[in-house]
Amino acid sequence: SQKIEQNSEALNIQEGKTATLTCNYTNYSPAYLQWYRQDPGRGPVFLLLIRENEKEKRKERLKVTFDTTLKQSLFHITASQPADSATYLCAPRGYNTDKLIFGTGTRLQVFP
Amino acid sequence: GAVVSQHPSRVICKSGTSVKIECRSLDFQATTMFWYRQFPKKSLMLMATSNEGSKATYEQGVEKDKFLINHASLTLSTLTVTSAHPEDSSFYICSARDAAGNYGYTFGSGTRLTVV
Repeated sequence: SQKIEQNSEALNIQEGKTATLTCNYTNYSPAYLQWYRQDPGRGPVFLLLIRENEKEKRKERLKVTFDTTLKQSLFHITASQPADSATYLCAPRGYNTDKLIFGTGTRLQVFP
Repeated sequence: GAVVSQHPSRVICKSGTSVKIECRSLDFQATTMFWYRQFPKKSLMLMATSNEGSKATYEQGVEKDKFLINHASLTLSTLTVTSAHPEDSSFYICSARDAAGNYGYTFGSGTRLTVV
């Protein structure tokens, strides 16, 4: 069955450092992959989308990579700030479907 | 940018009653909306896909008679939790996809349902 796995344990890093979050998928061939941020008690907010034929995408302090051979996406936040503390979710989307299925999510905590 | 409004944000209801949750796309038309459920400290679980003018498609294990979905217009989908029980208490979130494919997926702010 399809599986989307993210680091289940919380990631704690110091302000100013780069946070790297991992998304691994199995039994899946996504056409593209999205990353979302979710704060407690709120709905997810879209951050970045990367397509199957793209290796890397950047937006301000965010960078996403997509390795279809390793079946993995990495999400980086550079110069992290306490305001970046949240849960980050990856969501691959397959061909010929509108459904967005989410990974388990990783909670990031940036401390001063 | 695209905005999805979800209402109510919180609701407490008695066991056996029904609760309706609304999801509206405010500045775009959404042919497809999705309903998710989220348990504490868990990820979002897709419940059903709601298509305007047709029956919703439910994920395996989701009771269609329990969770009634109506998508009567391009800007409104509703989820009704019928004969609610305490185990239905959860955080319900909708998302909408722009019919023109311009905005990707936009999520509502969620509804915290507590059944007592």
